[in-house]
Amino acid sequence: AQSVAQPEDQVNVAEGNPLTVKCTYSVSGNPYLFWYVQYPNRGLQFLLKYITGDNLVKGSYGFEAEFNKSQTSFHLKKPSALVSDSALYFCAVRELLGGFKTIFGAGTRLFVKA
Amino acid sequence: DTGVSQNPRHKITKRGQNVTFRCDPISEHNRLYWYRQTLGQGPEFLTYFQNEAQLEKSRLLSDRFSAERPKGSFSTLEIQRTEQGDSAMYLCASSLAGGADYGYTFGSGTRLTVV
Repeated sequence: AQSVAQPEDQVNVAEGNPLTVKCTYSVSGNPYLFWYVQYPNRGLQFLLKYITGDNLVKGSYGFEAEFNKSQTSFHLKKPSALVSDSALYFCAVRELLGGFKTIFGAGTRLFVKA
Repeated sequence: DTGVSQNPRHKITKRGQNVTFRCDPISEHNRLYWYRQTLGQGPEFLTYFQNEAQLEKSRLLSDRFSAERPKGSFSTLEIQRTEQGDSAMYLCASSLAGGADYGYTFGSGTRLTVV
């Protein structure tokens, strides 16, 4: 069965500094990997996905994520954080041949301080 | 198209009552998903439909829960004999079927409080 782990409940970073939000996954086959963001009082929004190809995936709002098959990781990154990036971030995985169910991690709260 | 719409936004009900939520997906999306999210947790998968067919149900979905998607358009999620543990945000999402996975578009959710 597929699973996702986000080892940090919270990440704090100063505005302008690079940020990383960590994610590791477990699937028995090839994964589809996703990042979603949830702003206060708003629904989940799709940020980016990895299906196949280049290990560095670019998404919305300047975010990118790096797929590392050997470490089974899919960390979310941004070169320069903004205060407006403060939100709850969810990593998610779907197994390529495992049906259409996507499993979400518990989430990491990102605080960007001015 | 205004995205995925969920109604009502909030529902307060007494324990033991039945509740029904509605989800209207993006019109061209043929896949529809229901998730449940409690405070401090990620969304938990409940069930999904491709067109009108319910293709997978989570073991979390007890027999008090039922979902339908008549005619492959809107969907309803009914909870019978509600319990306090059912209090959560119920999220609906939709996506396109195809060779690649397009990611989900989520609605704003229905917050259920069972008192």
